[in-house]
Amino acid sequence: QVQLQESGPGLVKPSGTLSLTCGVSGDSIINNDWWSWVRQPPGKGLEWIGEIFHTGSTNYNPSLKSRVTISVDKSKNQFSLRLNSLTAADTAVYYCATTGGLAALNYWGQGTLVTVSS
Amino acid sequence: EIVLTQSPGTLSLSPGERATLSCRASQTVSSRYLAWYQQRPGQAPRLLIYGASSRATGIPDRFSGSGSGTDFTLTISRLEPEDFAVYYCQQYGRSPTFGGGAKVEIK
Repeated sequence: QVQLQESGPGLVKPSGTLSLTCGVSGDSIINNDWWSWVRQPPGKGLEWIGEIFHTGSTNYNPSLKSRVTISVDKSKNQFSLRLNSLTAADTAVYYCATTGGLAALNYWGQGTLVTVSS
Repeated sequence: EIVLTQSPGTLSLSPGERATLSCRASQTVSSRYLAWYQQRPGQAPRLLIYGASSRATGIPDRFSGSGSGTDFTLTISRLEPEDFAVYYCQQYGRSPTFGGGAKVEIK
């Protein structure tokens, strides 16, 4: 059973950079899965941010592409999200997730709230 | 970008009733890439249906998915108390998108 755990600061300043890490257990990040980030502003719906394959190949949401970087660290079995030029609109619960071999997000982390505020 | 429109936005039903949720895409979606998720308050989303009609591991058979092309449906045959939640459809194509969500609330 794959388990995912997000970690990172809960408060970041406007114009700053959000950095989150997703630790993976119960699976190897070099398996043939895509590793994703999804966010959810308070009281709103889900937004797909992007995904990475262990080779480093990435796909990003076009609306966020200019501000997003997703990377993978195979030695630590984890992947990371960086989002820059933050505004209050980036305040959200950020989830990491993975497909587990399906064409859907089968495994999710518990999510971490990131607030953008001075 | 493929836009997914879910309807109705809120469904008010009683336990034991049937729930039918719709997801309409702005362009054709391969059935292989259409998924449904359930989200309870304070929890992460949970995959219910993938490939438009295949139930994920551990999902009760009262949940079923159908549809093709631009029109997809999630049906809950008889609502249990734990089914009152928000449901999202997602297309997992080249640039995945989610629908806006549909809330199933207790009448």
